[in-house]
Amino acid sequence: DTAVSQTPKYLVTQMGNDKSIKCEQNLGHDTMYWYKQDSKKFLKIMFSYNNKELIINETVPNRFSPKSPDKAHLNLHINSLELGDSAVYFCASSQDSSLAYEQYFGPGTRLTVT
Amino acid sequence: RKEVEQDPGPFNVPEGATVAFNCTYSNSASQSFFWYRQDCRKEPKLLMSVYSSGNEDGRFTAQLNRASQYISLLIRDSKLSDSATYLCVVNANDYKLSFGAGTTVTVRA
Repeated sequence: DTAVSQTPKYLVTQMGNDKSIKCEQNLGHDTMYWYKQDSKKFLKIMFSYNNKELIINETVPNRFSPKSPDKAHLNLHINSLELGDSAVYFCASSQDSSLAYEQYFGPGTRLTVT
Repeated sequence: RKEVEQDPGPFNVPEGATVAFNCTYSNSASQSFFWYRQDCRKEPKLLMSVYSSGNEDGRFTAQLNRASQYISLLIRDSKLSDSATYLCVVNANDYKLSFGAGTTVTVRA
């Protein structure tokens, strides 16, 4: 019974390609997030959606476009991939947008751009 | 200045030892504080929330010092399974959390 799932787990692709990562949560949570963890291990928030509405949009290149078809899903599409996009991307969810609540993370998608 | 700073370690300790480490945060208005644990090549998981009065969960004790803007984590009677990276997490504003880069703890037999 996976709470937050992501696909694919690994993604190896060439510069310039377009790719998508999918995320689903079965916890009934209202809020979902995308984080990027780079080689220095910092987890940085990219986007957050609350009930399908965008509430956080950090300084992320517009090559990155999130999409939330419903509150259980938050997908991430990346256009024109660059070497610097190589990282682990984590999806997470929480009960709602209150920061007092625990965030549950998916297993991560390890993206390698060659 | 980074929003959350941690000593990266590693802290190498024998089983049964006590290990403690801090993290500092820059936003004096922060209200939510957490320690997350991340195992190698895995996702972060909540270890414990940190309350103003300090709190304990089994062998783990967390403290908050608002005046000096730091939180601490102490692990007593370390187990091999405590080997992980511990992420200090603080709310940066009303909508997002800031994560430290983590403190690595290695418990040896």
